[in-house]
Amino acid sequence: QVQLQESGSGLVKPSGTLSLTCAVSGDSLSNNDWWTWVRQPPGKGLEWIGEIKGSGSTNYKSSLKSRVTMSVDKTNNQFSLSLSFVTAADTAVYYCTRRDCSGRSCLNWFDPWGQGSLVIVSS
Amino acid sequence: EIVMTQSPATLSVSPGERATLSCRASQSINSNLAWYQQKPGQAPRLLMYDASTRATGVPARFSGSGSGTEFTLTISSLQSEDFAVYYCQQYNYWYTFGQGTKVEIK
Repeated sequence: QVQLQESGSGLVKPSGTLSLTCAVSGDSLSNNDWWTWVRQPPGKGLEWIGEIKGSGSTNYKSSLKSRVTMSVDKTNNQFSLSLSFVTAADTAVYYCTRRDCSGRSCLNWFDPWGQGSLVIVSS
Repeated sequence: EIVMTQSPATLSVSPGERATLSCRASQSINSNLAWYQQKPGQAPRLLMYDASTRATGVPARFSGSGSGTEFTLTISSLQSEDFAVYYCQQYNYWYTFGQGTKVEIK
């Protein structure tokens, strides 16, 4: 059973950098899956941020691309998100999740999800 | 970006009744649609993909339909554990979500 757990900075100052890590168990980042970040501002809907494979290939949402960096740490079976120059609009619960690519083609829905990590941008 | 619009924002339903949730895409997404359920303080849970295929472990009272731009999630007989927020997500071109429909107890 695949499980994901987010950790990282809970409070970030405006113009600073948000950093989160997602620890994965039950699956290997060396597999072909896409490891994904999704965020949810308080009381609002979900927003796809981007994804990364164990190979290091990435896809980012175009509107966030200039501020997002994702990386993988296969040794510790975890992947990370950095979001720079944050503002209050980046305050959200950040979820890590997965697009399964174990079959002939990658699935395009997200399952499972981590429990989420609240990041507040405030001075 | 493909915009997903869900309606209504809130649906008040009595236990045992049917709930019908709608999701509209700003352009055709074929059947490239998933549904998620989210309870307070929890992560989203995958319910449905390819518009009408239930995910593993999802009860048969959940059904999905639609293609193109109009989609529906139906819960045939609401149970207490079904009161939650439901999101649709398109994957025809990258990934975008609707704003959610909250199903509350009437």
